[in-house]
Amino acid sequence: RKEVEQDPGPFNVPEGATVAFNCTYSNSASQSFFWYRQDCRKEPKLLMSVYSSGNEDGRFTAQLNRASQYISLLIRDSKLSDSATYLCVVNIRTGGFKTIFGAGTRLFVKA
Amino acid sequence: NAGVTQTPKFRVLKTGQSMTLLCAQDMNHEYMYWYRQDPGMGLRLIHYSVGEGTTAKGEVPDGYNVSRLKKQNFLLGLESAAPSQTSVYFCASSYSRAEMTYEQYFGPGTRLTVT
Repeated sequence: RKEVEQDPGPFNVPEGATVAFNCTYSNSASQSFFWYRQDCRKEPKLLMSVYSSGNEDGRFTAQLNRASQYISLLIRDSKLSDSATYLCVVNIRTGGFKTIFGAGTRLFVKA
Repeated sequence: NAGVTQTPKFRVLKTGQSMTLLCAQDMNHEYMYWYRQDPGMGLRLIHYSVGEGTTAKGEVPDGYNVSRLKKQNFLLGLESAAPSQTSVYFCASSYSRAEMTYEQYFGPGTRLTVT
């Protein structure tokens, strides 16, 4: 089992739709959580950090459920510009540290 | 504030050649990382550094060496390039405090082709 697993995608949604991505992690020593977006042939860019139970930034809401070991990302009122790959990232405290990137979920928003 | 920069942006090597990729950050971050990303795959950690003068192996370190002589720079070396090292290489850096690491900031990447 992978340490971080994401919805395989791709997700194809119309403009204005609400879309949710899920990410599960297996290591209970997971400490901090992030969502990144990556555009084609570009570097990953931080979308949101999720340090507590969840947080909201405009059309984006991230939630963390430590008991069930998953985080989610909700995008409301999807825009064409939201088309990208969304990466779930988990930092694990192991005595040192370990950062695990999910494989990503591809989102296509169409007009 | 340039963030994280990488040079070169593109490079083509022949099998057996060597090269060094340079990463620089101006955010005074302690931690720096080198990743590779192959088509259809996630990011895989090659090496990382938790401070000047220290380096450690990541998930896929074979065929690569690194050095962190200055806090702001992290170099990735390929001593004898192989076609399997054709990839996009990303450098990243992050702040750390009290055994906790924070979000990573990435450079624009280096596209390397080994023929």
